[in-house]
Amino acid sequence: AQSVTQLGSHVSVSEGALVLLRCNYSSSVPPYLFWYVQYPNQGLQLLLKYTTGATLVKGINGFEAEFKKSETSFHLTKPSAHMSDAAEYFCAVSGYKAAGNKLTFGGGTRVLVKP
Amino acid sequence: GAGVSQSPSNKVTEKGKDVELRCDPISGHTALYWYRQSLGQGLEFLIYFQGNSAPDKSGLPSDRFSAERTGGSVSTLTIQRTQQEDSAVYLCASSWDSGRSVEQFFGPGTRLTVL
Repeated sequence: AQSVTQLGSHVSVSEGALVLLRCNYSSSVPPYLFWYVQYPNQGLQLLLKYTTGATLVKGINGFEAEFKKSETSFHLTKPSAHMSDAAEYFCAVSGYKAAGNKLTFGGGTRVLVKP
Repeated sequence: GAGVSQSPSNKVTEKGKDVELRCDPISGHTALYWYRQSLGQGLEFLIYFQGNSAPDKSGLPSDRFSAERTGGSVSTLTIQRTQQEDSAVYLCASSWDSGRSVEQFFGPGTRLTVL
């Protein structure tokens, strides 16, 4: 079974400051990891994903995440926050291949960007 | 091209009534997923369809919930005898197949309110 923990349900950052969203996972098989963003009244949009290979993954809108197996972490970062980054962010891990690609999500982190 | 669409965008119903929620996946996508997003439970997997295979219903919370996918395309999620705890946003997603690394594309969701 998989589980995902996102530390901090709300994060407030100043425009131009570093954005750091924490995600830890638990998985009995090699994990495939995802970060999704959700803007108000919209569905989820994929920011980036880790499957295999390079552990530092670059995504859209300047975000990146690093897979650290020893720490079972997949933290999301962006060097400089923009006002448009205000949204809710979800970390997710995918299920067993034989059971399809069911996603198990963390609780989400809502980001507020202050001018 | 068109993304995943869902209808209605909002649904208000009375306790005990049946509701049907519709999902139109991206054309050509063989895998289709339903998730529920609620304040208390976060994002939860409900059911997924892959081609002609039997659907994975392991996430359905009770036998009041059912779903079908006709012709490998449109899907309908039905909730019978709705309860107040069914109030949530129901999200549909589709992908090319059910591989673990494959991106799921999400619709905007249907917000269900049970009075």
